[in-house]
Amino acid sequence: GAGVSQSPSNKVTEKGKDVELRCDPISGHTALYWYRQSLGQGLEFLIYFQGNSAPDKSGLPSDRFSAERTGGSVSTLTIQRTQQEDSAVYLCASSRSGVDDREQYFGPGTRLTVT
Amino acid sequence: QKEVEQDPGPLSVPEGAIVSLNCTYSNSAFQYFMWYRQYSRKGPELLMYTYSSGNKEDGRFTAQVDKSSKYISLFIRDSQPSDSATYLCAMRGGPSGGSNYKLTFGKGTLLTVNP
Repeated sequence: GAGVSQSPSNKVTEKGKDVELRCDPISGHTALYWYRQSLGQGLEFLIYFQGNSAPDKSGLPSDRFSAERTGGSVSTLTIQRTQQEDSAVYLCASSRSGVDDREQYFGPGTRLTVT
Repeated sequence: QKEVEQDPGPLSVPEGAIVSLNCTYSNSAFQYFMWYRQYSRKGPELLMYTYSSGNKEDGRFTAQVDKSSKYISLFIRDSQPSDSATYLCAMRGGPSGGSNYKLTFGKGTLLTVNP
């Protein structure tokens, strides 16, 4: 079956521009996560969506970052006024339920480069 | 001190060697421990999932958890060139804890198995 898909796979943008990253979770998965993986760093939690509940945004590094999930499925991560330190791989994951769920399935990521 | 410490390597071994990968952690609330494998330019994939102290074996892979020492290990027997990847440890709290869906990752260890 189809896994988690993300688009675009690569994005190069100029400093100060806004970018949108898209995630399509596995069908039927109610939980969706965004992580950031910077060079030499582990995966850093950004935000968590579970069904219709309010998202956990505690990992977002600044108010330039926002995310939404429409219809409980597709999610978009938006970075406004991008900075060079935003350059990283942005990974999306989904799981069946979130709470006490065993496995998070990851997408291939979007590699963002801010010049 | 970071919550999860993992030696980034790189680690280079000959084919057939036994590989030992390790992580230490400081948060005693962590109860579930995972090892992910990440090939270059791909998303992480779950290799092993353990709860509580002890060993868990799956083919050539053995995961070991020592909660008293806050230390987890992944052993790879008869390593193959196809095992060359970055190995990430991850952990989270139990069902009674808050935010137990959040995974905290180590930085990852880059492993190369030479034919």
